[in-house]
Amino acid sequence: DQQVKQNSPSLSVQEGRISILNCDYTNSMFDYFLWYKKYPAEGPTFLISISSIKDKNEDGRFTVFLNKSAKHLSLHIVPSQPGDSAVYFCAASDRGSTLGRLYFGRGTQLTVWP
Amino acid sequence: DSGVTQTPKHLITATGQRVTLRCSPRSGDLSVYWYQQSLDQGLQFLIQYYNGEERAKGNILERFSAQQFPDLHSELNLSSLELGDSALYFCASSVVGAGNTIYFGEGSWLTVV
Repeated sequence: DQQVKQNSPSLSVQEGRISILNCDYTNSMFDYFLWYKKYPAEGPTFLISISSIKDKNEDGRFTVFLNKSAKHLSLHIVPSQPGDSAVYFCAASDRGSTLGRLYFGRGTQLTVWP
Repeated sequence: DSGVTQTPKHLITATGQRVTLRCSPRSGDLSVYWYQQSLDQGLQFLIQYYNGEERAKGNILERFSAQQFPDLHSELNLSSLELGDSALYFCASSVVGAGNTIYFGEGSWLTVV
């Protein structure tokens, strides 16, 4: 049962443009959401997170938006850079339950071309 | 560097064999998680330990087992290995209560031949 879904396996964007990665979830108990970036042969690296009490969190070029009513979140990268090319995983947790277990989507491969 | 250390980084073994993957969490982290990533698969949660006790179980096969020791390092034991067990195995750790952000090691790449 995939509780976190990333329906786009890949996204290709030109350098300098905006990258928008999307994620949907089904469990209404999820109250904490994260994005991880993963380069080949490396472990996922934490990128940005958002609590369910917020609808937006920004960190430099990265902004995460949360729409609780739609059970949808998105990651915006502006401007996109070639070094952003990686697999991006969306993750969610219910902090009241299992002490931190994260549910991951299958990932979206972002390619930023010059 | 996330502070989570995994060994070995690469491992090639034959079907039917048994291997042990080792993980040292970040200093101060009490929770350890194991994830598996196969080709075309996302990060599949296997198991979580908190301060030595099993806390949550995911899609972990009966041939696999794990434990967390008093010094908080963890081991994932994979036995009766099959070709389909070839994957990247990630360990992650977290300070429970710190927003549930978990930090991953670089993974152990297991190839079963």
